[in-house]
Amino acid sequence: AQTVTQSQPEMSVQEAETVTLSCTYDTSESNYYLFWYKQPPSRQMILVIRQEAYKQQNATENRFSVNFQKAAKSFSLKISDSQLGDTAMYFCAFMPLSGKLSFGAGTTVTVRA
Amino acid sequence: EAGVVQSPRYKIIEKKQPVAFWCNPISGHNTLYWYLQNLGQGPELLIRYENEEAVDDSQLPKDRFSAERLKGVDSTLKIQPAELGDSAVYLCASSLGTGANTEAFFGQGTRLTVV
Repeated sequence: AQTVTQSQPEMSVQEAETVTLSCTYDTSESNYYLFWYKQPPSRQMILVIRQEAYKQQNATENRFSVNFQKAAKSFSLKISDSQLGDTAMYFCAFMPLSGKLSFGAGTTVTVRA
Repeated sequence: EAGVVQSPRYKIIEKKQPVAFWCNPISGHNTLYWYLQNLGQGPELLIRYENEEAVDDSQLPKDRFSAERLKGVDSTLKIQPAELGDSAVYLCASSLGTGANTEAFFGQGTRLTVV
C-alpha cells in the first residue's frame, strides 16, 4: 500500500515571499504520478501541478514548482511570490499506474498581507 | 464544459436515517472516485470505478455504505443507516483515464451533518 506524508500541518508566509511544502511517499513501484492539489476555504479541490515519476525534470507551473527526489521519495512544492489568493489547504497526492489516487493529510497555507 | 456536479451541496439528517449523494462526472470520463473528507484532513478513498465496474472498494464500509454507477456515467453513494461519525464532506472526482490523462477533477462536495 502507498502512503503519503505531509509533516507540516500549517505554514504561514508573507505576501510576495516564498514557501516550501514538504511531502514524502512510500511505494515499491517504479513508475507513478505525483500531484499537488489546492483546496481554498469552502471551495473545490483543483490541481496545481503534476509530476510523472519517469521524468527527471522538475515540473513548473508559473509560480509553482516542485523538487522531485525519486530516490528519497520526496516531492516538495515551492510557491514563489506568494499571493493572498494562495491561501488554501494543499494536498500532496500519489497515483500508481493502476489509478488509485491517495492523498496526504494536507498543509494549511496562510498568506499574510 | 461543465465540471463534476454533485448534489445536494448540504444535507442534514438524523442518525439512523438513510441518505444518498449523487455525482455527474465530466462527460467522457471513465474513472470516477468517491472520497470522504473530514474537517482539516485529506480525502480518503471510498470507492473507485472504471466505467461501471467498481475496481477498488476495499475502504467502503459495506455494512452501511453502497454505491452504484449505472451505465458508467452518473453515480450514487448511499448510507443506510447513517451514524453520527458519518458527518463529513463527500467528494466525487472523475478523470479521463490513466497515463497522460490522470488529472482528477473534483466536484464541490456534499457536506453531510448527522444529528
